[in-house]
Amino acid sequence: DAGVTQSPTHLIKTRGQQVTLRCSPISGHKSVSWYQQVLGQGPQFIFQYYEKEERGRGNFPDRFSARQFPNYSSELNVNALLLGDSALYLCASSLDRRLLYNEQFFGPGTRLTVL
Amino acid sequence: QQQVKQSPQSLIVQKGGIPIINCAYENTAFDYFPWYQQFPGKGPALLIAIRPDVSEKKEGRFTISFNKSAKQFSLHIMDSQPGDSATYFCAASGYNQGGKLIFGQGTELSVKP
Repeated sequence: DAGVTQSPTHLIKTRGQQVTLRCSPISGHKSVSWYQQVLGQGPQFIFQYYEKEERGRGNFPDRFSARQFPNYSSELNVNALLLGDSALYLCASSLDRRLLYNEQFFGPGTRLTVL
Repeated sequence: QQQVKQSPQSLIVQKGGIPIINCAYENTAFDYFPWYQQFPGKGPALLIAIRPDVSEKKEGRFTISFNKSAKQFSLHIMDSQPGDSATYFCAASGYNQGGKLIFGQGTELSVKP
């Protein structure tokens, strides 16, 4: 079985541009979470989506948005890019957020560089 | 209250040694504590996780010790190997956290041959 897949692998943008990152969860998983990992730090939670609805949001500005599609894949959009948005963006899938304890499995990430 | 504090920041051990990584939390609502292993250029991989109803959990060479009263938990790697060289992250979450994992800052482990 394929794990979590993310595209693109790497991306270079300039300040002020917009970017869309994509994620496909593990087959059968209904929940997708997005994290930002700045070099040398632990991942920071951005969003969780379940059944196409936002179920959790971290402390990120409104420039960050996401959505989940009927096939449970997800997109993360970041508008008006800043230099500080340069990071590894990770997608994690989990089986069902209604479970009491929900293991999250991460994809390889998208490395975003903002110049 | 949402922080998870991890130490040490880096750790060097000889092959066969037992590195120990420690984490502390404040939010008593946390009730799920996973550990992740991350190699350069890769996403974090779930290693082992523990819930507060047990004080220790072993999976292969990896052991989590959990002290609920002290709000601390630690990862022990038995018979460490050079292939274990990676960055290790502890994390915490709870059923009412909206799916959010709170990660520690990470520990860069180097196992020397």
